[in-house]
Amino acid sequence: DQQVKQNSPSLSVQEGRISILNCDYTNSMFDYFLWYKKYPAEGPTFLISISSIKDKNEDGRFTVFLNKSAKHLSLHIVPSQPGDSAVYFCAASRFGNEKLTFGTGTRLTIIP
Amino acid sequence: DAGVIQSPRHEVTEMGQEVTLRCKPISGHNSLFWYRQTMMRGLELLIYFNNNVPIDDSGMPEDRFSAKMPNASFSTLKIQPSEPRDSAVYFCASSGFGFRYFGPGTRLTVT
Repeated sequence: DQQVKQNSPSLSVQEGRISILNCDYTNSMFDYFLWYKKYPAEGPTFLISISSIKDKNEDGRFTVFLNKSAKHLSLHIVPSQPGDSAVYFCAASRFGNEKLTFGTGTRLTIIP
Repeated sequence: DAGVIQSPRHEVTEMGQEVTLRCKPISGHNSLFWYRQTMMRGLELLIYFNNNVPIDDSGMPEDRFSAKMPNASFSTLKIQPSEPRDSAVYFCASSGFGFRYFGPGTRLTVT
């Protein structure tokens, strides 16, 4: 039972444009959400997070939006740069709980 | 700090053999996690330890898998006997102050 779903395995975006990565979850107990970025031959690295008391969190070019009623979150990257090409994982947990549930990942390719 | 260290980085073995993956967490971190990455299931949590004690091993696929953390600076994940369906990338991660840091992973291929 996949509680965190990333339905797009891959996404290609032109450099300078906006990249939008989507994530859906089914467990209504989740109240803390994270995005991780992974380059080949490296482990995932933390990118940005959001708690359920907010609907938006911004950090530079990265913004995460949370729609609790739809159980949906998205990561926006503006403007997209070649170095953003990586696999992005969405993850969810109950705040304070060490157990993170990850999605299957979306491979983002930025086209120069 | 060198970050989370995993060894070996690549392991190729034959079905039925024992495989041991190793992890050294970041010094001072009190939680350690073992994950498995596959195309179909993404990153799955296998087991995690807090202060060297296993807290949740519900993700361990079956009895062929076992994990230990004999001290704060070392953990192992063992598969015995290994099967081709165990082929995946195995990540170790540690956390101590809220953020989780992943190692580079061990790519396991069982033929």
